[in-house]
Amino acid sequence: KQEVTQIPAALSVPEGENLVLNCSFTDSAIYNLQWFRQDPGKGLTSLLLIQSSQREQTSGRLNASLDKSSGRSTLYIAASQPGDSATYLCAVADATSGTYKYIFGTGTRLKVLA
Amino acid sequence: DTAVSQTPKYLVTQMGNDKSIKCEQNLGHDTMYWYKQDSKKFLKIMFSYNNKELIINETVPNRFSPKSPDKAHLNLHINSLELGDSAVYFCASSSIVSGGEAFFGQGTRLTVV
Repeated sequence: KQEVTQIPAALSVPEGENLVLNCSFTDSAIYNLQWFRQDPGKGLTSLLLIQSSQREQTSGRLNASLDKSSGRSTLYIAASQPGDSATYLCAVADATSGTYKYIFGTGTRLKVLA
Repeated sequence: DTAVSQTPKYLVTQMGNDKSIKCEQNLGHDTMYWYKQDSKKFLKIMFSYNNKELIINETVPNRFSPKSPDKAHLNLHINSLELGDSAVYFCASSSIVSGGEAFFGQGTRLTVV
């Protein structure tokens, strides 16, 4: 059974710092891995999608990597800003069910201090 | 133009009532989902439909009945609401053709009193 874990659960950093959020999954049989952002009381915003055949994806100050064999992904945020404060979720599209089934991690709550 | 839209955004109702949440996507995706986010903010899949056919049913009580009238819509009907049903319900859609990227609605906060 696929399980997704995110470390740390919460993180507080001063503005301008570079930071890394971690996501690990137990079964390497995935179609893709997606990073989302969730602001309080809001829906999920897709940040980056990495296909299982890819190693990394970049969008602006965000870079996500995927090491399928070791069951790990990292989200790197460069030059963090207070507007980056949110909960970051990773989700794997599990391939074992024969269809796209997104299994979520528990999230990392990020606070960037001005 | 909202890709995945849910209505209502907030729903407060008494125990024992029946309620529905509607979801529509305009992305042309063939797969739609319902997820539940509990008080600890953990997101768990409930149902998945592909081309109006039920694909995934994650041992959800049969008081919950999804209905997909067409590929663009997936509604969630809940009978005999219980206090434990209070949560945020998210609709989502994806398509293998577009790489499986999932798009989520803004959520429906259900409060059962």
